[in-house]
Formats: sequence, structure tokens, C-alpha cells
Amino acid sequence: TQLLEQSPQFLSIQEGENLTVYCNSSSVFSSLQWYRQEPGEGPVLLVTVVTGGEVKKLKRLTFQFGDARKDSSLHITAAQPGDTGLYLCAVYYLLQGGSEKLVFGKGTKLTVNP
Amino acid sequence: DAGVTQSPTHLIKTRGQQVTLRCSPKSGHDTVSWYQQALGQGPQFIFQYYEEEERQRGNFPDRFSGHQFPNYSSELNVNALLLGDSALYLCASSTWAGLAVTNEQFFGPGTRLTVL
Repeated sequence: TQLLEQSPQFLSIQEGENLTVYCNSSSVFSSLQWYRQEPGEGPVLLVTVVTGGEVKKLKRLTFQFGDARKDSSLHITAAQPGDTGLYLCAVYYLLQGGSEKLVFGKGTKLTVNP
Repeated sequence: DAGVTQSPTHLIKTRGQQVTLRCSPKSGHDTVSWYQQALGQGPQFIFQYYEEEERQRGNFPDRFSGHQFPNYSSELNVNALLLGDSALYLCASSTWAGLAVTNEQFFGPGTRLTVL
């Protein structure tokens, strides 16, 4: 069972369209991160959301953390070809012994066509 | 300021062989974590090194081992390769903040391993 479920798995849209991708879980988290991974590169951190209901904006990207801190969404306005990539959500998961590891969802693969 | 670097970029091996992947952390970072990203999946945590010791480990068999050197660079070794080990192996560096807290991790571009 995946700790984080991301939807949709694939999304192909035209330049200028708006889109929303989702990251859902049945668990409650103290924070949640969004990364973008471009082909041939490692993931790059976009944002960390911490407070339930929090909304953060990064240019045309809007991130929201659910009120119950179990889910999050990423909305892109007027998508551009440069937004193409794999969008991953991730949380820190507590291991036995008190340490934590970063756990990722499977990601949403976004293609923005010119 | 150099970011995280990994070598080699691509690697092809056959089943049963052994492989060593290398990672140099971002300048000023002392902690290295390794992840495996299979096709169509998100990265999965393998293990983390700090002060030349493995500090935490994910659900990977003992065939996966690592090492960290005094200059903070790190190696990932995989023995007795299986077809299922084919994946992108990512290295991430950060500054140590204790077992229960993780500072922002910066990822390298990865090594693409293909096992035939």
C-alpha cells in the first residue's frame, strides 16, 4: 500500500491551460513537500507546506495543504512547456528508533505541448 | 558552487555482477542519502550516511551497501545484481541535523543502471 497516492498518473495538456494534480493519504503529516523532476535530472524541491489549510504560491504554481494535513494539491495556471516534468509529493516518515526517511509518491508526469 | 555530482551517468551490467556508484555532495554538506527510482515510480530511500557511518536504512537487502569517505563523498555498492535492480540511483546531500530532523536535501542527476 502506497503511503502517498498521486493523481492523475499522466497528464498531457496544451500550453496556456490550467491544471491541478493531487497527493492524498489516509495518514496525517506534520509537513509535505512537492518536487519537480525533469528528464535526466534529480528531483528539485519546490515547496514545503506545514500548516493545515496553508496556501503557498510560486509564480504560476499554487500549493495547498489540506485542513486535516492528509492531502495536498498543486495548481498550475497558464501552463508552459517549461513546466513539463514529473511532479512528486513527499513526506518525512518516522522510522523505529526515532529517525525519519523521505517517502515519495509515484508522481504525476506532466507534458505541456506548445 | 558545485551541486551534487554522480558518476557514472549510465551503466550496463549483467545479472550476478557487482556495481559501485559514486556521489560527491554539495559543498558544505556532510550527509549523503541514496535512493532507488524504478521506472514509473517515485524515489525509494535506501540508506543515509553521516560521519562515515550508516545512520538509517530503508527496506533494501544486504546486497546494497555503502560507504562514506572523510571528504563526505559516498559510494553505493550492489552485489549479485538482479534484473529488478535496473533503476535510476539518486544521491542526495544535506547537512546533518540529527536522526529525527532532516534539512533540505539536494539531489544529483542520478546514475541509470541497466541489468541485463
